[in-house]
Amino acid sequence: EVQLVESGGGLVQPGGSLRLSCATSGFTFSDHNMDWVRQTPGKGLEWVGRSRSKTSSYTTEYAASVKGRFIISRDNSKKSLYLQMNALKIEDTAVYYCARGPPLGDYWGQGSLVTVSS
Amino acid sequence: QSALTQPASVSGSPGQAIAISCTGTSSDVGSYNYVAWYQQHPGKAPKLMIYDVNNRPSGVSNRFSGSKSGNTASLTISGLQAEDEADYYCCSYTSSNTLVFGSGTKVTVL
Repeated sequence: EVQLVESGGGLVQPGGSLRLSCATSGFTFSDHNMDWVRQTPGKGLEWVGRSRSKTSSYTTEYAASVKGRFIISRDNSKKSLYLQMNALKIEDTAVYYCARGPPLGDYWGQGSLVTVSS
Repeated sequence: QSALTQPASVSGSPGQAIAISCTGTSSDVGSYNYVAWYQQHPGKAPKLMIYDVNNRPSGVSNRFSGSKSGNTASLTISGLQAEDEADYYCCSYTSSNTLVFGSGTKVTVL
C-alpha cells in the first residue's frame, strides 16, 4: 500500500525556518517525481515545487513565490522527501501536502499545517 | 504565474451533467497535454480524477471525463451524484517548467 506521511509543521515567526518531511512507503521512491503543494486555509491549491525522479537526475523546480527561500531535497535510502523553508512570510501559512507523480498527485499525504505568525 | 481561471461555482441536479472550465494561456494549457483535475472534499487531501487531459486513473468513475480546446480545458461530470459535491481544481504544466493550479470550483448538487 502506498503511503505518504508529512511531519514537521508548526508555528514559526516571520523570518524563521522550518523543515517538513514526507516519509513514504509502498513504492520505489527513486522512480517517482515528488511534489510539494500547499493550501492556504479556506483557499485554493498552490504548487510549491518538485523533485524529479532518478531518470531525471533528481532535478528540482520551484514556484516563483518560494524560489530562493525554499529547498526541496530527498533521501532515497530513507524514502523521504524534505522541504526546507527559510525566510518564512505570513503568506506562507498553509497546509503543505507532499504528492507522488507522475501524474502529479496520484497519491497524497494528509498534509502538515505551517503557521507563520508573530 | 497567475492561477488558471475556473468558475467559482457550478451546480446541478442529481443525474444531470455539468462541465467545469479551466482557462489558461498559450504558455500553459494551450501548449501542453498535461492538464489534470483534482477533487477535494472538506478536510481531505485532493484526489486525482483526470490526468493528461482525458485519462482516468484506475478506480475513478467513468462519469468523469476531460477535454481540451485551445487554451481551455474542461471537466465533465455526467450522471451527477450527491457524493460529487466537492471542490474541483485543474492543473497544468507551464513553459517555465513549473505547474499552476486553477482557482477552484465548488460543485453543488441541488
